[in-house]
Amino acid sequence: DAKTTQPNSMESNEEEPVHLPCNHSTISGTDYIHWYRQLPSQGPEYVIHGLTSNVNNRMASLAIAEDRKSSTLILHRATLRDAAVYYCILSAGTYKYIFGTGTRLKVLA
Amino acid sequence: GAVVSQHPSWVICKSGTSVKIECRSLDFQATTMFWYRQFPKQSLMLMATSNEGSKATYEQGVEKDKFLINHASLTLSTLTVTSAHPEDSSFYICSARRVADTLADTQYFGPGTRLTVL
Repeated sequence: DAKTTQPNSMESNEEEPVHLPCNHSTISGTDYIHWYRQLPSQGPEYVIHGLTSNVNNRMASLAIAEDRKSSTLILHRATLRDAAVYYCILSAGTYKYIFGTGTRLKVLA
Repeated sequence: GAVVSQHPSWVICKSGTSVKIECRSLDFQATTMFWYRQFPKQSLMLMATSNEGSKATYEQGVEKDKFLINHASLTLSTLTVTSAHPEDSSFYICSARRVADTLADTQYFGPGTRLTVL
């Protein structure tokens, strides 16, 4: 199954942009890139997904490298409520999600 | 849209008893539902995949006779933990994939059920 690599943790100041990286060098041509976030004692929350082009929604932006071997989730203005574990996941073609360890984002007031 | 609920949100039971957890897609039909387990400070681990009207597919190492999954309709899947023991205590999370998202394979997750076995 395709795998992703993310930094274990990141910090950001409140009101500043945050760029969360994800490497997926073994991505296949049909894999979508999904991002979720999980707050303590809650299920993962869908953030955004994309295939080849950059994507924007009300929560975040997703920048996908031209070779698709990496992507970056962009939170334009981090708030305290954005503190969570962020997971980058590839749809592995078998409809199964393989969760890595994710990036724990800490937002400093 | 794409709301998934779970019931109960938490449950405490005695060792040896069985516990049923429900997962419902509230505003969409789910072709496939998934069950995950998450231990403290760990990531989610997929337990099984269920399709409406067919038998669930279990991941390696997950006992299918212990974790019974029923996917009776396009909006409801249940997970029954049979003869629960303290080591089954965990956070159980379900997810559902919409028919419309078949290509993108987006899953929508429930809020989770905290199971504590005494």
